[in-house]
Amino acid sequence: DTAVSQTPKYLVTQMGNDKSIKCEQNLGHDTMYWYKQDSKKFLKIMFSYNNKELIINETVPNRFSPKSPDKAHLNLHINSLELGDSAVYFCASRRTNSPLHFGNGTRLTVT
Amino acid sequence: AQSVSQHNHHVILSEAASLELGCNYSYGGTVNLFWYVQYPGQHLQLLLKYFSGDPLVKGIKGFEAEFIKSKFSFNLRKPSVQWSDTAEYFCAVNARRNDYKLSFGAGTTVTVRA
Repeated sequence: DTAVSQTPKYLVTQMGNDKSIKCEQNLGHDTMYWYKQDSKKFLKIMFSYNNKELIINETVPNRFSPKSPDKAHLNLHINSLELGDSAVYFCASRRTNSPLHFGNGTRLTVT
Repeated sequence: AQSVSQHNHHVILSEAASLELGCNYSYGGTVNLFWYVQYPGQHLQLLLKYFSGDPLVKGIKGFEAEFIKSKFSFNLRKPSVQWSDTAEYFCAVNARRNDYKLSFGAGTTVTVRA
């Protein structure tokens, strides 16, 4: 029944590693997002895909790369992880001009 | 720069006290306004939203918010809080002239003491 699901829920890894966070939505929404919630609790949009096409690409390091194999999935791949990447990452989806539905978040800790 | 500002970073209050969280935005033109809540250990949930019509919006759990266009504000209120209202509250705005990209405020941590 989960509408927007992210995996894993927690991710602890060392600097320099490459990791991926997966997101799937079963709501039939056409737009999906990745947000980063940093230590100050501020939510910043990172990427947005509409029907598998990138429509928002905020200023984030190019170590972050989104991949959307289909409308229901938007994965986030991070290369060469750094300490400053530690944060909670939220996936979200919506129909155009309707409220966002968020996933439960993935807490990434880089040591 | 276009932005969403939440006035308080951390609010501490006792049960039964009244709560008001400020939110101001800088977008002109048509806007949609939202309040999201994140309870400890849980994901973000929509508390209430304003698209058009009555500027006083009723949400879940006894919350309401008032859209005052002239003040570019969308303040959240609850007359009497409970311990279970302890959470992070985020104001969010999307604007037609910004292609409806959702922008969040920095969030307000609300701690309700029993």
